[in-house]
Amino acid sequence: QQQVKQSPQSLIVQKGGIPIINCAYENTAFDYFPWYQQFPGKGPALLIAIRPDVSEKKEGRFTISFNKSAKQFSLHIMDSQPGDSATYFCAASIEGAQKLVFGQGTRLTINP
Amino acid sequence: DTEVTQTPKHLVMGMTNKKSLKCEQHMGHRAMYWYKQKAKKPPELMFVYSYEKLSINESVPSRFSPECPNSSLLNLHLHALQPEDSALYLCASSARFYNEQFFGPGTRLTVL
Repeated sequence: QQQVKQSPQSLIVQKGGIPIINCAYENTAFDYFPWYQQFPGKGPALLIAIRPDVSEKKEGRFTISFNKSAKQFSLHIMDSQPGDSATYFCAASIEGAQKLVFGQGTRLTINP
Repeated sequence: DTEVTQTPKHLVMGMTNKKSLKCEQHMGHRAMYWYKQKAKKPPELMFVYSYEKLSINESVPSRFSPECPNSSLLNLHLHALQPEDSALYLCASSARFYNEQFFGPGTRLTVL
């Protein structure tokens, strides 16, 4: 019940396309859903996060869509660029629990 | 200042060596974390310090010994490591009751 399932494992998109990465969870107590971006040899960087009281959140070219009834959330990258090529991790947690449950990651490649 | 710093960036050690990893943050965060990350895997939680006290130990072998000297510093003391301990070691911090975790760049550890 503590798992977060992330798909796809890898994704290749042409520049300007809209990659979509999906995550699903079982634990309905989760109330915080962040996405992290990680470049090779670097630490994960918090990209955007959402709480279950909203269905969508946008920050620049990054959008999280959240479906509480389906227990799913997804990351969309608008007008993707080669510089967006990285590994993306979704995560979930319970406020105050201090533990993030990570998905397995998606390696995204944006071709020029 | 929204940065978590880690030193050293790279560390190579033998199985009989003793070494330490250091982490520092000046965001006033009262929770600090150590993670281990293997290639192509998500970060794996090792320890959590909350208000300078160890609050979570994820059954980590005793050859890893954490220390939190003050609210800004976190150390990870290493002794008698095994080659399978080679990984990227990440430090993170967050405000006490808020799960927005900020990661440092990591220390790439190689055990020979």
